[in-house]
Amino acid sequence: EPEVTQTPSHQVTQMGQEVILRCVPISNHLYFYWYRQILGQKVEFLVSFYNNEISEKSEIFDDQFSVERPDGSNFTLKIRSTKLEDSAMYFCASMVTAATPGNEQFFGPGTRLTVL
Amino acid sequence: TQLLEQSPQFLSIQEGENLTVYCNSSSVFSSLQWYRQEPGEGPVLLVTVVTGGEVKKLKRLTFQFGDARKDSSLHITAAQPGDTGLYLCAGGDSNYQLIWGAGTKLIIKP
Repeated sequence: EPEVTQTPSHQVTQMGQEVILRCVPISNHLYFYWYRQILGQKVEFLVSFYNNEISEKSEIFDDQFSVERPDGSNFTLKIRSTKLEDSAMYFCASMVTAATPGNEQFFGPGTRLTVL
Repeated sequence: TQLLEQSPQFLSIQEGENLTVYCNSSSVFSSLQWYRQEPGEGPVLLVTVVTGGEVKKLKRLTFQFGDARKDSSLHITAAQPGDTGLYLCAGGDSNYQLIWGAGTKLIIKP
């Protein structure tokens, strides 16, 4: 069964460094999302991406964040200058189309980002 | 701002008992999804409900969407240790985003 994949599974970085989290959505899906979940807290929406551009973003998604779909298969989240508070699980999700009843999103296994 | 309140936050019961988890909001959602999340893993979709009053069953799990599409419940019959996990509800809004509840941590003791 097709699934969303994410790499790496765990990323450790020093504060101030740039990180790129990678996702491969399900191949026929058109909507892509990044969420984060700080340990013990609820899942938080970061950004949605459709037709090669950001469709929605949350207050969390400030200028240090960017997303890209460089080659038609990968979907990346870049954090330019990491802060301690960026430590969290980052989940990628994808959805077929807006016409899908219920807007079902399918999630990857996540990347655990640890900022030291 | 749309919010989803999930209750209870934590539930620990014996194997064989029944339980219900609730997801409530003052906002109307176009759909509501229930996910289960294991520690260190991504949420796994269990079910999506889209019609007010809709009931869906997944083996021993029964999901219901409120008539006004503002609330939902998950009922587990004869809970088993394998049901242990974090159960999350998420409401779909008009911008195709998911608004998440905080989750219910369920522990089923053998």
